[in-house]
Amino acid sequence: GIQVEQSPPDLILQEGANSTLRCNFSDSVNNLQWFHQNPWGQLINLFYIPSGTKQNGRLSATTVATERYSLLYISSSQTTDSGVYFCAVVRASNDYKLSFGAGTTVTVRA
Amino acid sequence: DAGITQSPRHKVTETGTPVTLRCHQTENHRYMYWYRQDPGHGLRLIHYSYGVKDTDKGEVSDGYSVSRSKTEDFLLTLESATSSQTSVYFCAILADPSYNEQFFGPGTRLTVL
Repeated sequence: GIQVEQSPPDLILQEGANSTLRCNFSDSVNNLQWFHQNPWGQLINLFYIPSGTKQNGRLSATTVATERYSLLYISSSQTTDSGVYFCAVVRASNDYKLSFGAGTTVTVRA
Repeated sequence: DAGITQSPRHKVTETGTPVTLRCHQTENHRYMYWYRQDPGHGLRLIHYSYGVKDTDKGEVSDGYSVSRSKTEDFLLTLESATSSQTSVYFCAILADPSYNEQFFGPGTRLTVL
């Protein structure tokens, strides 16, 4: 199956700092999603971004499909940004089945 | 909110007992999924459904069965629960196949003693 690798595995930030999370994948994809899992376990959709760049408030994401990676940018981090960020992809011929990375755990300190 | 509920939200059971988890959706989506989440693995697909009575296996399907007798409900059954099935289980739907974005329910925390 497709391999999805996220880095770094853990990230500790001071409130107000900026950060970049990376997702590498091993095959062509026709879907890529970024999720935030909050401390209560809820999975929140951040971006659907199989290619290109999108922005939503302090968060933005870029996917370079030809080079098989995606980046999630968090600017001016807040304590509410804490949690686990997951990247998930659907391989191009794979009938809508998501494959997840192991996640990046982000801790934002006040 | 994609109108997905899961029940129960928490369950503690003993090894060898059968367990059924329910996923309910209110918006007539064709595709539904069951994932499990374990530390260090992200989420992994157990089974999915592409219509009533149409189901297929994911990457970690051993020890699990599913049923979908109506569009709104997708059931996950552990026929004889084992401690290795202690996990958090998430249901998901595919809102629009042409757009290919999945949305997740709140999860069920299952502990098998």
